[in-house]
Amino acid sequence: AQRVTQPEKLLSVFKGAPVELKCNYSYSGSPELFWYVQYSRQRLQLLLRHISRESIKGFTADLNKGETSFHLKKPFAQEEDSAMYYCAPAGSGNTGKLIFGQGTTLQVKP
Amino acid sequence: DAGVTQSPTHLIKTRGQQVTLRCSPISGHKSVSWYQQVLGQGPQFIFQYYEKEERGRGNFPDRFSARQFPNYSSELNVNALLLGDSALYLCASSPTPGHPYEQYFGPGTRLTVT
Repeated sequence: AQRVTQPEKLLSVFKGAPVELKCNYSYSGSPELFWYVQYSRQRLQLLLRHISRESIKGFTADLNKGETSFHLKKPFAQEEDSAMYYCAPAGSGNTGKLIFGQGTTLQVKP
Repeated sequence: DAGVTQSPTHLIKTRGQQVTLRCSPISGHKSVSWYQQVLGQGPQFIFQYYEKEERGRGNFPDRFSARQFPNYSSELNVNALLLGDSALYLCASSPTPGHPYEQYFGPGTRLTVT
């Protein structure tokens, strides 16, 4: 079964500290992988996708196929990064199905 | 553009009743997805529709059904409501069939079943 695990429900760091939000997936094949974010009182929105290898708002995500992980990282956290982060591998078959993890709340303290 | 819109915002139903939730995608988006989000969990995929055809279906019972209209808006229907159907129902639209996972979410409809 396709499954995604975000082991931390809450991650609390101080401003300027490095951040790593963990994501592990169990999958056959090579899924597309995404991170979605939900800021307070805002809608769920796409943050980044592994295919584009981009950095958005200072965040990057490294795909490790051997460990089946797709951790989200940022070297220096900002208070405005406080939000709920969801790792979301794509389901198989190009059906549009995203498989969301339980989410990790990132709290950046001043 | 207001983004994806959903109606109603909230509603309360009784067990056994039926409910219809509505979604209007971003202008120009032809694909609509539905997700159920139970408190404390991530969204769970219910359906995706593209050009009025069902493209994908999640692991939900047949009590859940959906359709997409010629203007690309969509309805999600749930019959014989159970207490466990209480959740936030999210709609998302996608711009192109080649990128079905680039999804733009609406604010959701909060359904409470009593």
